[in-house]
Amino acid sequence: DAKTTQPPSMDCAEGRAANLPCNHSTISGNEYVYWYRQIHSQGPQYIIHGLKNNETNEMASLIITEDRKSSTLILPHATLRDTAVYYCIVSNDYKLSFGAGTTVTVRA
Amino acid sequence: DAGVTQSPTHLIKTRGQHVTLRCSPISGHKSVSWYQQVLGQGPQFIFQYYEKEERGRGNFPDRFSARQFPNYSSELNVNALLLGDSALYLCASSSTWDVGQPQHFGDGTRLSIL
Repeated sequence: DAKTTQPPSMDCAEGRAANLPCNHSTISGNEYVYWYRQIHSQGPQYIIHGLKNNETNEMASLIITEDRKSSTLILPHATLRDTAVYYCIVSNDYKLSFGAGTTVTVRA
Repeated sequence: DAGVTQSPTHLIKTRGQHVTLRCSPISGHKSVSWYQQVLGQGPQFIFQYYEKEERGRGNFPDRFSARQFPNYSSELNVNALLLGDSALYLCASSSTWDVGQPQHFGDGTRLSIL
């Protein structure tokens, strides 16, 4: 069962930052937070992951609260190609448990 | 660099038949996992293999089996196909099976059961 709560959908404007929230209040100390996205008819794409510290890569930034009970994925400059279902997953082993995710629609 | 490749991309079978799906991991990756994604839902974990051994199994019937070869490629086999097996089957690879290593997915095989 998924251990995260995400809003079912959100819109954002092209060129603006998109902030995607995720609640994982029951996360344990050795569980990582992973973010994936899935564009229609494609496999999930890895975005970023972290344990305690904030992380940044070429795609996004991951902000994890100090108590680790929630996190935010930030897409700094959303484009139309960022329209997808975004999954927030917590895991401490090989198995990824996907929930329903957030359907993000980027509008021109 | 080539990502995870899966074949075939689409497949149509009838009830009772069996099917074999194939996956080639990213070069250098030794771990392969299989997921099933039914329309409208998130992917569900089926198997994980590392160094040719099964390391984990999800809540799927024994009709589902898999194996990993010396070159780290993998096959997923499903016997006695049911209508409910219609889904997108995804393969993911990672460099190890350690926690903290991200999995990278292929674009899947879409299986339709008539």
